[in-house]
Amino acid sequence: AQSVAQPEDQVNVAEGNPLTVKCTYSVSGNPYLFWYVQYPNRGLQFLLKYITGDNLVKGSYGFEAEFNKSQTSFHLKKPSALVSDSALYFCAVRDGANYGGSQGNLIFGKGTKLSVKP
Amino acid sequence: ETGVTQTPRHLVMGMTNKKSLKCEQHLGHNAMYWYKQSAKKPLELMFVYNFKEQTENNSVPSRFSPECPNSSHLFLHLHTLQPEDSALYLCASSQDQREGNQLEQYFGPGTRLTVT
Repeated sequence: AQSVAQPEDQVNVAEGNPLTVKCTYSVSGNPYLFWYVQYPNRGLQFLLKYITGDNLVKGSYGFEAEFNKSQTSFHLKKPSALVSDSALYFCAVRDGANYGGSQGNLIFGKGTKLSVKP
Repeated sequence: ETGVTQTPRHLVMGMTNKKSLKCEQHLGHNAMYWYKQSAKKPLELMFVYNFKEQTENNSVPSRFSPECPNSSHLFLHLHTLQPEDSALYLCASSQDQREGNQLEQYFGPGTRLTVT
């Protein structure tokens, strides 16, 4: 069965410092991986995805994520955090080997709250 | 804006009421989804429609009834809900549920539902 884990409920970072939000996954085939952000009282916004190709994926708002197959991880990173990056971040995975039924759906992590202080 | 709209944004209903949530996407997508987001719980997939056909019902109680009249519109009909059904209900769409590499989903702002 496919699953995704976000081990941190909350990450605190000072503005201007680099940030990392962690995600690990488990799938039977090749993983399709996604990051989403949710601001208060809003829906989830797509940030970036890894399907195939370069392990370092660049996305919106200066975010990037690194796919590490050996560690089954897809951590979200940003070189310099902004106060406006404070939000809830979700990692999601889909098993690329299976298209039918529930295997074709995204599985979301429980979310990590990022707090960036001035 | 993501191209996915939801109405109403807030809804308060009693347990005996009947109401409907509406979702519309302007992205030309073929798959649409309903999710439930409760405090301190992972996002729960409820229903999936692909090319207007329901492809997923994730053991959702029958008091929630989805309807997808076309690829652009999705409804969630509610009746005799329970207080524990209070949550943020999110609609999403994607190019196709099954194949291709355009698998990312685009979410609406959600409907905050309170059942009294």
